[in-house]
Amino acid sequence: DARVTQTPRDKVTEMGQEVTMRCQPILGHNTVFWYRQTMMQGLELLAYFRNRAPLDDSGMPKDRFSAEMPDATLATLKIQPSEPRDSAVYFCASARTVQTYNEQFFGPGTRLTVL
Amino acid sequence: AQSVTQLGSHVSVSEGALVLLRCNYSSSVPPYLFWYVQYPNQGLQLLLKYTSAATLVKGINGFEAEFKKSETSFHLTKPSAHMSDAAEYFCAVSLSGGGSNYKLTFGKGTLLTVNP
Repeated sequence: DARVTQTPRDKVTEMGQEVTMRCQPILGHNTVFWYRQTMMQGLELLAYFRNRAPLDDSGMPKDRFSAEMPDATLATLKIQPSEPRDSAVYFCASARTVQTYNEQFFGPGTRLTVL
Repeated sequence: AQSVTQLGSHVSVSEGALVLLRCNYSSSVPPYLFWYVQYPNQGLQLLLKYTSAATLVKGINGFEAEFKKSETSFHLTKPSAHMSDAAEYFCAVSLSGGGSNYKLTFGKGTLLTVNP
């Protein structure tokens, strides 16, 4: 049963610390998405990659957030320095976009709390 | 650009009653439409999708949705609610066609409560 995995599942940190979240997409999926979910804003797309190349990161605060795909099996989202307003659940999703529609498969999320 | 509006942030039904969750979309080109479900402390799971084939789409767990172009709607229904249906439901839209646009735009979500 192929699944998207995310680590850590929960992260509590103090303001100013660096946070790194990791995602392993489903094997064979070539597109990876990062979302942030909060009560106030709902689900927001932060960035996405196709074949490891960034396609769109316009939803991401550029000064403190960065997203990379070092290889096809790992995507990372880094926040440096973290702030309390970054507290949210961060989801990774992957898709196999060789067809004209993208069915995205979501990971379980990383719940980030910045104190 | 595309957008989704889900009418009602919270819907409460009795077990065995009809479930109706409303979704209206806006899209400059024929859309692809999706319903996702999120159970507590879990990621989103695809319920069903419309990709320009049959307008009545059947999904998992007895849910179905009908694409109505004239009403720009894609409402989700289930004839008889079960306690296990309690979750948050998200409608999403994607532009049809390939190219570089793989983005999904999500609605704000509707929390479904099922009362015994």
